[in-house]
Amino acid sequence: GQNIDQPTEMTATEGAIVQINCTYQTSGFNGLFWYQQHAGEAPTFLSYNVLDGLEEKGRFSSFLSRSKGYSYLLLKELQMKDSASYLCAVRLYNTDKLIFGTGTRLQVFP
Amino acid sequence: EPEVTQTPSHQVTQMGQEVILRCVPISNHLYFYWYRQILGQKVEFLVSFYNNEISEKSEIFDDQFSVERPDGSNFTLKIRSTKLEDSAMYFCASSEGLAVQETQYFGPGTRLLVL
Repeated sequence: GQNIDQPTEMTATEGAIVQINCTYQTSGFNGLFWYQQHAGEAPTFLSYNVLDGLEEKGRFSSFLSRSKGYSYLLLKELQMKDSASYLCAVRLYNTDKLIFGTGTRLQVFP
Repeated sequence: EPEVTQTPSHQVTQMGQEVILRCVPISNHLYFYWYRQILGQKVEFLVSFYNNEISEKSEIFDDQFSVERPDGSNFTLKIRSTKLEDSAMYFCASSEGLAVQETQYFGPGTRLLVL
């Protein structure tokens, strides 16, 4: 089966940097997406990785190592509004769907 | 910025009743999806839809579920006879294409409560 693991919860301080890890065991990996989800709201797209390496988008960066089945989302200069769940989702070959992990709930403290 | 919209935002229904959840995908998008999220659990894929037919569905999407694009803008999910375990947040999503880099954009969701 397909398995995607993320830490359940993390805490960090405003202004700091936090790294949220995601490991996956899937067959036919074709890409990895990160979404942000505030409580009771829809997932909002943050970034995706198809090839190995780092993708940077402002305060957010995402890294992928396909050989290790590993990705991380890096959030810099944390703000209070970054308190949310961060969802790692995998896309496989020959399929439309995203397979989501359980998400990491990040709490940012002043 | 274009966005996916969904109605209603909340729906309460009695077990056994039929519900229809509505979505308006982003206008130039061709691929449509339904996902659900039971409270405290992960987002789960239900079905994808392209060119007026289902292209993929999950085990959850049994005979009680159906999808339709009744006109050029709406995309609906019908649950024929709701069960208590259908209580969840239902998200509609759409994407422009099917290539791996095509992002799926999610609507705000409909919170369904089955009593």
